[in-house]
Amino acid sequence: NAGVMQNPRHLVRRRGQEARLRCSPMKGHSHVYWYRQLPEEGLKFMVYLQKENIIDESGMPKERFSAEFPKEGPSILRIQQVVRGDSAAYFCASSPPPRNNEQFFGPGTRLTVL
Amino acid sequence: GESVGLHLPTLSVQEGDNSIINCAYSNSASDYFIWYKQESGKGPQFIIDIRSNMDKRQGQRVTVLLNKTVKHLSLQIAATQPGDSAVYFCAENAGGTSYGKLTFGQGTILTVHP
Repeated sequence: NAGVMQNPRHLVRRRGQEARLRCSPMKGHSHVYWYRQLPEEGLKFMVYLQKENIIDESGMPKERFSAEFPKEGPSILRIQQVVRGDSAAYFCASSPPPRNNEQFFGPGTRLTVL
Repeated sequence: GESVGLHLPTLSVQEGDNSIINCAYSNSASDYFIWYKQESGKGPQFIIDIRSNMDKRQGQRVTVLLNKTVKHLSLQIAATQPGDSAVYFCAENAGGTSYGKLTFGQGTILTVHP
């Protein structure tokens, strides 16, 4: 059973470009979470999604950031018009219902904005 | 605001010693706690969890203790090995409307010397 998969593992963008980060949850998991980690800091919650629904987006910046988890395919975290402050590691986690406290993390996407 | 934090940012031990990593939390509504291990360049790896109706839980070489009176959580690693060297994070979930949202501490760097 493959773990949580994220791609790309490394992404370099110039200021003003768009970044798309993908996450495929573990098989059988229908809950996906996105977290951001700045260097030498803990992870910060961004958004919690179930298939076709955003459950909690209290950690998402109000502008430029969006997330989706379609019925088919991976979850996507999209950052429009990236700025240098968006440079970070972005982690996706998934969990199986109903015990969706236990979250399993992917390897992360390291975004660098030049 | 509510937060989870760690008392010690770094911990150095000799191989074979026992390690204790501490964590303080401030949200009295938290009912679920997890310890994660993160190695350089990787995503957080689940170690052990505990619910608020328990005060101790044991795994393989690891024990988590929860003191709700003083809002303190600790991770004990027995017979620490060089492979245990990593950053350790505690995380908490408050349940209710925050169900699925983990709040992470800043992390403790554990270094095990052979």
